[in-house]
Order: sequence, then C-alpha cells, then structure tokens
Amino acid sequence: SQTIHQWPATLVQPVGSPLSLECTVEGTSNPNLYWYRQAAGRGLQLLFYSVGIGQISSEVPQNLSASRPQDRQFILSSKKLLLSDSGFYLCACAGGPRKMDSPLHFGNGTRLTVT
Amino acid sequence: GNSVTQMEGPVTLSEEAFLTINCTYTATGYPSLFWYVQYPGEGLQLLLKATKADDKGSNKGFEATYRKETTSFHLEKGSVQVSDSAVYFCALSDRDQGGKLIFGQGTELSVKP
Repeated sequence: SQTIHQWPATLVQPVGSPLSLECTVEGTSNPNLYWYRQAAGRGLQLLFYSVGIGQISSEVPQNLSASRPQDRQFILSSKKLLLSDSGFYLCACAGGPRKMDSPLHFGNGTRLTVT
Repeated sequence: GNSVTQMEGPVTLSEEAFLTINCTYTATGYPSLFWYVQYPGEGLQLLLKATKADDKGSNKGFEATYRKETTSFHLEKGSVQVSDSAVYFCALSDRDQGGKLIFGQGTELSVKP
C-alpha cells in the first residue's frame, strides 16, 4: 500500500524566509502527486499537481513553487514567505493502473506558521 | 468548471443521533465521488467512495449513494458516536486534470455524549 512521508510536522518561519517542504512516497511507482493547502477553518485548495518527473501543473498563482526531481519525491518551496502562506500543507498521491480515478492518499501534513 | 458544495457546519449532534451531511456537485462527464474525514491535527483519510451512478459507498457505518439525477452524494450514519467528531469533506475526481480531487469546504461534526 502507498505510504506518504511528509516533514516537518510543524514549522515556524519568519516573513521573508525561504521554505522547503518535502514529501516522499513508498509503495507505488509513477504516482500522481499533489500539494494541497488548508487555511485555518477552511477547505482544501489544490496548489500543484504532477503526473511525472519534472511535470508540474500550478493551480493558483502565488508565492510558492513545486518541483519533482525524482519519481516519488515532491517538494514545495518558496523564496520569500508571506504571512498569508500560513496554513496546513498536505501532500497526496495516487498510484496504480487507475490513478486518474483513484482515491488520494494523504500524508499527515505540515503546519506552517509564518510570523 | 467542476465544483463541490457541502452543507455548512458546524453540526452538533448527541450520541446515537442520525447524521446527514449534504453534498452536491457540478461536473462534466462522470466523476468518481469520495468522502474524506479529517480528525483534529491530522491529514485526510478516505472514508468511502463511489465510482458510478447508483453506487453506494460504505465504511464504519457511514453510507453515501451516487445520485446522478440529483448530482448528490449525501453522507449518512444511523447512530453517531463521540469518536465520529471530525471534519468531513466531499470530493470529486477530475480525470481530465491529472486525477486531482476537488473538495467541498468541509463540514465540522461535533458529537456530544
């Protein structure tokens, strides 16, 4: 079964500092990978998704970027954090022969507070 | 574009009460539908799913039926427990966009003993 590792679990960063959140996946190959953000008291917003190495689709224009340097590694980055970047960041994956129509498996998330 | 609308929370129930959380969707084609649950401080867990019209997904006493005629996927449970307190998200899959899930805004459920 698919396992998603996300770290760190919590992070406090000052405004203007860089960010790097990493997500790695086990138990599947060539998965679709996703980054979601959940702001306090709100639903989930899809930030980026990737269907293969080096392939990134951005859903909303913002201060963040994503990269997929390896098949099962997905990185969320920022050069300069804003206060509005605070939130709960969730990595998700879908693998297998029907990954376009499969449930997503989520990591445990990273709670980012920008101060 | 595709979208999901859930009833607003929070929903507060007494233990053993009947639960319904409404979910309706707008989509082109025939998406798969899902309910996810998020316990405090955790990520999301798949609760149940349905992949085609009239399918019923079920798990842990929860049920939801894919109703194409009403574009709905309401979540129900006959007798809730305190441990069911969580945020519930309805979602649909967009096969044409990398299989991404489009989520509703979530409904917080609080069950009191």
